[in-house]
Amino acid sequence: KQEVTQIPAALSVPEGENLVLNCSFTDSAIYNLQWFRQDPGKGLTSLLLIQSSQREQTSGRLNASLDKSSGRSTLYIAASQPGDSATYLCAVQGGSEKLVFGKGTKLTVNP
Amino acid sequence: EAQVTQNPRYLITVTGKKLTVTCSQNMNHEYMSWYRQDPGLGLRQIYYSMNVEVTDKGDVPEGYKVSRKEKRNFPLILESPSPNQTSLYFCASTLNRARGSDGYTFGSGTRLTVV
Repeated sequence: KQEVTQIPAALSVPEGENLVLNCSFTDSAIYNLQWFRQDPGKGLTSLLLIQSSQREQTSGRLNASLDKSSGRSTLYIAASQPGDSATYLCAVQGGSEKLVFGKGTKLTVNP
Repeated sequence: EAQVTQNPRYLITVTGKKLTVTCSQNMNHEYMSWYRQDPGLGLRQIYYSMNVEVTDKGDVPEGYKVSRKEKRNFPLILESPSPNQTSLYFCASTLNRARGSDGYTFGSGTRLTVV
Protein backbone atom coordinates (compact mmCIF):
# COMPACT_ATOMS: atom_id res chain seq x y z
CA LYS A 1 0.00 0.00 0.00
CA GLN A 2 1.40 3.37 -1.03
CA GLU A 3 2.25 5.74 1.81
CA VAL A 4 3.30 9.35 1.38
CA THR A 5 5.18 11.26 4.07
CA GLN A 6 5.89 14.97 4.17
CA ILE A 7 8.57 16.51 6.35
CA PRO A 8 8.46 18.87 8.14
CA ALA A 9 4.82 19.05 9.21
CA ALA A 10 5.22 22.78 9.80
CA LEU A 11 7.79 25.36 8.82
CA SER A 12 8.17 29.02 9.72
CA VAL A 13 10.65 31.21 7.82
CA PRO A 14 11.39 34.91 7.40
CA GLU A 15 10.41 36.59 4.17
CA GLY A 16 12.97 36.28 1.40
CA GLU A 17 14.36 32.94 2.47
CA ASN A 18 14.72 30.04 0.05
CA LEU A 19 13.19 26.84 1.36
CA VAL A 20 12.71 23.16 0.59
CA LEU A 21 9.73 20.96 1.36
CA ASN A 22 10.22 17.21 1.33
CA CYS A 23 8.00 14.37 0.21
CA SER A 24 8.74 10.64 0.28
CA PHE A 25 6.71 7.68 -0.95
CA THR A 26 7.06 3.98 -0.29
CA ASP A 27 6.21 2.47 -3.70
CA SER A 28 8.36 3.80 -6.54
CA ALA A 29 5.99 2.46 -9.21
CA ILE A 30 4.23 5.79 -9.66
CA TYR A 31 2.71 7.35 -12.75
CA ASN A 32 3.16 10.95 -11.67
CA LEU A 33 3.56 13.21 -8.65
CA GLN A 34 1.64 16.41 -8.06
CA TRP A 35 2.24 19.28 -5.64
CA PHE A 36 -0.77 21.25 -4.41
CA ARG A 37 -1.28 24.35 -2.36
CA GLN A 38 -4.18 24.69 0.08
CA ASP A 39 -5.18 27.83 1.91
CA PRO A 40 -7.09 27.36 5.19
CA GLY A 41 -10.52 25.87 4.58
CA LYS A 42 -10.12 26.25 0.84
CA GLY A 43 -9.67 24.02 -2.18
CA LEU A 44 -6.55 22.47 -3.65
CA THR A 45 -4.62 24.41 -6.25
CA SER A 46 -2.28 22.39 -8.44
CA LEU A 47 1.23 23.85 -8.49
CA LEU A 48 3.35 21.37 -10.39
CA LEU A 49 2.90 17.98 -12.02
CA ILE A 50 5.92 15.74 -12.61
CA GLN A 51 5.45 12.71 -14.83
CA SER A 52 7.37 9.59 -13.80
CA SER A 53 9.76 10.01 -16.75
CA GLN A 54 10.68 13.56 -15.71
CA ARG A 55 13.22 14.74 -13.16
CA GLU A 56 11.89 18.22 -12.43
CA GLN A 57 9.36 20.89 -13.26
CA THR A 58 9.53 24.64 -12.76
CA SER A 59 6.91 27.35 -12.46
CA GLY A 60 8.03 30.83 -11.51
CA ARG A 61 9.70 30.69 -8.10
CA LEU A 62 8.76 27.03 -7.64
CA ASN A 63 10.85 24.04 -8.64
CA ALA A 64 9.89 20.45 -7.97
CA SER A 65 12.22 17.51 -8.39
CA LEU A 66 11.50 13.80 -8.53
CA ASP A 67 13.79 10.88 -7.77
CA LYS A 68 11.53 7.94 -8.43
CA SER A 69 14.04 5.25 -7.60
CA SER A 70 14.61 6.60 -4.09
CA GLY A 71 10.96 7.55 -3.59
CA ARG A 72 11.59 11.24 -3.01
CA SER A 73 10.43 14.61 -4.24
CA THR A 74 11.30 18.12 -3.15
CA LEU A 75 9.52 21.42 -3.67
CA TYR A 76 11.89 24.37 -3.71
CA ILE A 77 10.46 27.84 -3.15
CA ALA A 78 12.78 30.73 -3.95
CA ALA A 79 12.62 34.13 -2.28
CA SER A 80 9.60 33.27 -0.14
CA GLN A 81 6.85 35.84 0.40
CA PRO A 82 4.09 36.14 3.03
CA GLY A 83 1.60 35.23 0.29
CA ASP A 84 3.26 31.81 0.06
CA SER A 85 1.89 30.96 3.51
CA ALA A 86 -0.32 27.90 3.05
CA THR A 87 -0.30 24.14 3.41
CA TYR A 88 1.59 22.31 0.67
CA LEU A 89 0.45 18.81 -0.22
CA CYS A 90 2.32 16.17 -2.15
CA ALA A 91 0.35 13.42 -3.92
CA VAL A 92 1.34 10.44 -6.05
CA GLN A 93 -0.69 8.62 -8.67
CA GLY A 94 0.21 4.96 -8.87
CA GLY A 95 -0.90 1.78 -10.58
CA SER A 96 -4.55 2.71 -10.47
CA GLU A 97 -5.72 6.24 -11.13
CA LYS A 98 -5.89 6.81 -7.39
CA LEU A 99 -4.11 9.80 -5.88
CA VAL A 100 -2.48 9.20 -2.49
CA PHE A 101 -1.72 12.26 -0.40
CA GLY A 102 0.77 13.15 2.26
CA LYS A 103 -0.53 15.07 5.27
CA GLY A 104 1.09 18.29 4.15
CA THR A 105 3.58 20.88 5.30
CA LYS A 106 2.13 24.04 6.80
CA LEU A 107 4.31 26.94 5.72
CA THR A 108 4.32 30.33 7.41
CA VAL A 109 6.37 33.14 5.86
CA ASN A 110 6.85 36.01 8.30
CA PRO A 111 7.14 39.59 7.02
CA GLU B 1 -12.53 27.63 -18.11
CA ALA B 2 -11.62 24.02 -17.26
CA GLN B 3 -12.97 23.27 -13.84
CA VAL B 4 -14.64 20.96 -11.36
CA THR B 5 -17.74 22.49 -9.81
CA GLN B 6 -19.12 21.33 -6.48
CA ASN B 7 -22.32 22.43 -4.81
CA PRO B 8 -23.11 23.48 -2.20
CA ARG B 9 -19.99 25.08 -0.74
CA TYR B 10 -21.35 24.94 2.79
CA LEU B 11 -24.06 22.72 4.25
CA ILE B 12 -25.38 22.25 7.75
CA THR B 13 -27.83 19.39 8.18
CA VAL B 14 -29.33 17.18 10.85
CA THR B 15 -28.60 13.54 11.54
CA GLY B 16 -30.50 11.21 9.25
CA LYS B 17 -31.63 13.72 6.64
CA LYS B 18 -30.57 12.54 3.19
CA LEU B 19 -28.42 14.90 1.19
CA THR B 20 -26.60 15.05 -2.12
CA VAL B 21 -23.45 16.96 -2.97
CA THR B 22 -23.16 17.56 -6.69
CA CYS B 23 -19.98 17.49 -8.75
CA SER B 24 -19.57 18.37 -12.40
CA GLN B 25 -16.51 18.66 -14.65
CA ASN B 26 -16.20 20.20 -18.11
CA MET B 27 -12.91 18.60 -19.19
CA ASN B 28 -14.27 15.32 -20.61
CA HIS B 29 -12.36 13.42 -17.91
CA GLU B 30 -13.07 9.71 -17.52
CA TYR B 31 -11.91 9.39 -13.92
CA MET B 32 -13.70 11.12 -11.06
CA SER B 33 -13.26 10.73 -7.34
CA TRP B 34 -14.49 11.95 -3.98
CA TYR B 35 -12.21 12.70 -1.03
CA ARG B 36 -12.81 13.81 2.51
CA GLN B 37 -10.33 15.84 4.50
CA ASP B 38 -10.12 15.70 8.28
CA PRO B 39 -7.59 17.24 10.67
CA GLY B 40 -4.76 14.85 11.41
CA LEU B 41 -6.01 12.29 8.88
CA GLY B 42 -5.39 14.17 5.65
CA LEU B 43 -7.25 13.46 2.43
CA ARG B 44 -8.84 10.05 2.06
CA GLN B 45 -10.61 8.64 -0.96
CA ILE B 46 -14.31 7.79 -0.52
CA TYR B 47 -15.39 6.51 -3.94
CA TYR B 48 -14.13 6.71 -7.47
CA SER B 49 -15.40 6.15 -10.99
CA MET B 50 -13.30 5.00 -13.92
CA ASN B 51 -16.02 5.91 -16.42
CA VAL B 52 -19.79 6.08 -16.90
CA GLU B 53 -21.59 3.37 -14.93
CA VAL B 54 -18.30 2.16 -13.40
CA THR B 55 -17.83 3.04 -9.72
CA ASP B 56 -15.89 1.47 -6.87
CA LYS B 57 -15.10 1.96 -3.20
CA GLY B 58 -12.12 3.92 -2.00
CA ASP B 59 -10.61 3.79 1.46
CA VAL B 60 -13.54 5.14 3.49
CA PRO B 61 -16.80 4.32 1.64
CA GLU B 62 -19.05 3.52 4.62
CA GLY B 63 -22.12 5.74 4.78
CA TYR B 64 -21.76 7.09 1.24
CA LYS B 65 -23.16 6.30 -2.20
CA VAL B 66 -22.28 7.58 -5.64
CA SER B 67 -23.59 7.30 -9.17
CA ARG B 68 -22.12 8.01 -12.60
CA LYS B 69 -24.93 8.21 -15.13
CA GLU B 70 -23.20 10.84 -17.24
CA LYS B 71 -19.52 11.42 -17.86
CA ARG B 72 -19.51 14.95 -16.48
CA ASN B 73 -21.43 14.37 -13.22
CA PHE B 74 -20.51 12.39 -10.12
CA PRO B 75 -22.81 13.16 -7.17
CA LEU B 76 -22.04 12.06 -3.61
CA ILE B 77 -25.05 10.84 -1.64
CA LEU B 78 -25.34 10.57 2.13
CA GLU B 79 -28.55 8.66 2.74
CA SER B 80 -28.49 8.96 6.54
CA PRO B 81 -25.78 11.42 7.57
CA SER B 82 -24.19 11.11 10.99
CA PRO B 83 -22.00 13.56 12.94
CA ASN B 84 -18.84 11.59 12.07
CA GLN B 85 -19.40 12.59 8.45
CA THR B 86 -18.79 16.21 9.34
CA SER B 87 -15.85 17.02 7.11
CA LEU B 88 -14.50 18.95 4.14
CA TYR B 89 -15.31 17.12 0.91
CA PHE B 90 -13.55 17.40 -2.42
CA CYS B 91 -14.46 16.13 -5.85
CA ALA B 92 -11.65 15.61 -8.36
CA SER B 93 -11.21 14.46 -11.93
CA THR B 94 -8.47 13.44 -14.33
CA LEU B 95 -7.95 11.88 -17.73
CA ASN B 96 -7.23 8.18 -17.57
CA ARG B 97 -3.63 7.20 -18.13
CA ALA B 98 -4.30 5.64 -21.54
CA ARG B 99 -5.14 9.13 -22.76
CA GLY B 100 -2.21 10.74 -20.96
CA SER B 101 -3.01 11.95 -17.47
CA ASP B 102 -2.49 15.66 -17.06
CA GLY B 103 -2.86 15.57 -13.32
CA TYR B 104 -5.88 16.03 -11.11
CA THR B 105 -8.23 18.99 -10.97
CA PHE B 106 -10.06 19.55 -7.71
CA GLY B 107 -13.30 21.30 -6.90
CA SER B 108 -13.45 24.10 -4.34
CA GLY B 109 -14.75 21.85 -1.61
CA THR B 110 -17.96 21.37 0.38
CA ARG B 111 -17.88 22.04 4.10
CA LEU B 112 -20.47 19.68 5.62
CA THR B 113 -21.61 19.86 9.23
CA VAL B 114 -23.98 17.19 10.57
CA VAL B 115 -25.60 18.05 13.90
